[in-house]
Amino acid sequence: DTGVSQDPRHKITKRGQNVTFRCDPISEHNRLYWYRQTLGQGPEFLTYFQNEAQLEKSRLLSDRFSAERPKGSFSTLEIQRTEQGDSAMYLCASRSGAREKLFFGSGTQLSVL
Amino acid sequence: DAKTTQPPSMDCAEGRAANLPCNHSTISGNEYVYWYRQIHSQGPQYIIHGLKNNETNEMASLIITEDRKSSTLILPHATLRDTAVYYCIVSGQKLVFGQGTRLTINP
Repeated sequence: DTGVSQDPRHKITKRGQNVTFRCDPISEHNRLYWYRQTLGQGPEFLTYFQNEAQLEKSRLLSDRFSAERPKGSFSTLEIQRTEQGDSAMYLCASRSGAREKLFFGSGTQLSVL
Repeated sequence: DAKTTQPPSMDCAEGRAANLPCNHSTISGNEYVYWYRQIHSQGPQYIIHGLKNNETNEMASLIITEDRKSSTLILPHATLRDTAVYYCIVSGQKLVFGQGTRLTINP
């Protein structure tokens, strides 16, 4: 169990640029989740995958956001035309079953200038 | 997913038991109760979860009332490193976090 890995840990970008984050879940975990967290708030659910299928998307996920999990292993979250309001910690998590414990990565801290 | 209510903050003396309450009166029969904690700028850390029976592991105990409308997380001997935000979550497919309880352990 090597844990959930996220890359990069920090990203600073200018408004209007595109950014992409990567998440490597614990191997053999078929469920993968993305969350966003702003200062002083709890993590907010964005989307989740079961294997390569994206099963649910939050209304928080605007058209500028897209997530993929092409082979049911790692996942990417892309934000196009970033805005200052996108500045947040983006957390990835995975688990092996619907009622199992969810393991979180350390997150990617995004700052949009 | 059912909503939860937690006190915004609590204090506890080091070495004493910390008891963190959570109300989840709208919980449905197949929803589990999960507890996570988060230390500043780290990802949430799993503590414990249960359906209706009380649970204990190396970190904590979870006491769920018989009607399942509330639960209590117990940290038996709190240390300074237990200072964190604690989240109680009632969940089906996805975990929906609230504001949590900011627990401060005092020396």
